[in-house]
Amino acid sequence: GAGVSQSPSNKVTEKGKDVELRCDPISGHTALYWYRQSLGQGLEFLIYFQGNSAPDKSGLPSDRFSAERTGGSVSTLTIQRTQQEDSAVYLCASSWGGTQETQYFGPGTRLLVL
Amino acid sequence: ELKVEQNPLFLSMQEGKNYTIYCNYSTTSDRLYWYRQDPGKSLESLFVLLSNGAVKQEGRLMASLDTKARLSTLHITAAVHDLSATYFCAVDPGTASKLTFGTGTRLQVTL
Repeated sequence: GAGVSQSPSNKVTEKGKDVELRCDPISGHTALYWYRQSLGQGLEFLIYFQGNSAPDKSGLPSDRFSAERTGGSVSTLTIQRTQQEDSAVYLCASSWGGTQETQYFGPGTRLLVL
Repeated sequence: ELKVEQNPLFLSMQEGKNYTIYCNYSTTSDRLYWYRQDPGKSLESLFVLLSNGAVKQEGRLMASLDTKARLSTLHITAAVHDLSATYFCAVDPGTASKLTFGTGTRLQVTL
């Protein structure tokens, strides 16, 4: 069956530009997560959506980062005025939404800010 | 703040040998996950451990959880080259299911 998909797979941008990263979760999964993986910081939680509840944004590193989830399905992570330290792999995961549920990860978007 | 530590960070072992990766965490939790990551790839779920004393096994890998000691182990039996990857443990400390990951253990199994 279809897993979590993300696009683009790679993104190179110039410092100061805005970027949008997309995540399509597994069909039927109500919970969606964004994580970031970088050499210096390892794997970090960014934001969490559960159904129609207000998202948990506690992991977003700055107000340049935002995310939305439309129709309870597709999510977009937006980074405004990108900085070189934003270079990382951005991973999206989804789950059935209850506690104790396994999170299934997408292939990630590799972002390089020049 | 929850901290999750893994050791070792890097492990080189010969095929056929046994070894254990350790995952310590700093706050109470009874939900711990193990993931595998191959180079350039995403995370693949290996085990979900949901209670004290939980033990799960799949092939040459066995994971266990001791919530009182705040410790999980991933034991590798008779390693084979195909197990070469980076292994992460991740802890969910509350109801939000947002995971805090360990630093990862890069396993290299040599022929």
